[in-house]
Amino acid sequence: SQQGEEDPQALSIQEGENATMNCSYKTSINNLQWYRQNSGRGLVHLILIRSNEREKHSGRLRVTLDTSKKSSSLLITASRAADTASYFCATDGDTDKLIFGTGTRLQVFP
Amino acid sequence: DAGVIQSPRHEVTEMGQEVTLRCKPISGHNSLFWYRQTMMRGLELLIYFNNNVPIDDSGMPEDRFSAKMPNASFSTLKIQPSEPRDSAVYFCASRRSIGETQYFGPGTRLLVL
Repeated sequence: SQQGEEDPQALSIQEGENATMNCSYKTSINNLQWYRQNSGRGLVHLILIRSNEREKHSGRLRVTLDTSKKSSSLLITASRAADTASYFCATDGDTDKLIFGTGTRLQVFP
Repeated sequence: DAGVIQSPRHEVTEMGQEVTLRCKPISGHNSLFWYRQTMMRGLELLIYFNNNVPIDDSGMPEDRFSAKMPNASFSTLKIQPSEPRDSAVYFCASRRSIGETQYFGPGTRLLVL
């Protein structure tokens, strides 16, 4: 079963624009992670945010976490064509295993 | 660091044949995970090991699937007999300890005809 649900399922933007993806989950968590997957490739870890953190930055990435709403968002600023990929959130729920969401397919047009 | 290594990268086989997928986790990582990804079901956790011991195999679809981790540097996922519905990309991932990042291998793309 999947713990997280990403929204939107698909997103198309122009280079230079910002992309925002949202993730909702169901149970309490210890941490939430975001991953990127390029077509036909493995998943690449982007950022981990712990349950006691509200915001985290890494380069052009900004992640927020609202545990009261059981939701997280991933913002990619000044997007590039190379950001085209699927983005997944993953949570550990009440166990030590990660459960992945359904993913957001991001298309950035040059 | 070489990252998580999986082999083969691609496998095409006929229904009924045995398939063995291999994974070498990152050195020093204590947990290893096997996932399956399909368009219909997304990314599913099949089984994971802590310190070479299987902890949760509730995601293994049926008895045709089995996984082993004989030592800290090697794991196998076996499907016997294989069926067309097993066609998917199988990922292996490893993690140093609980609560830390999982690192994924490149995956094995399996096609069962």
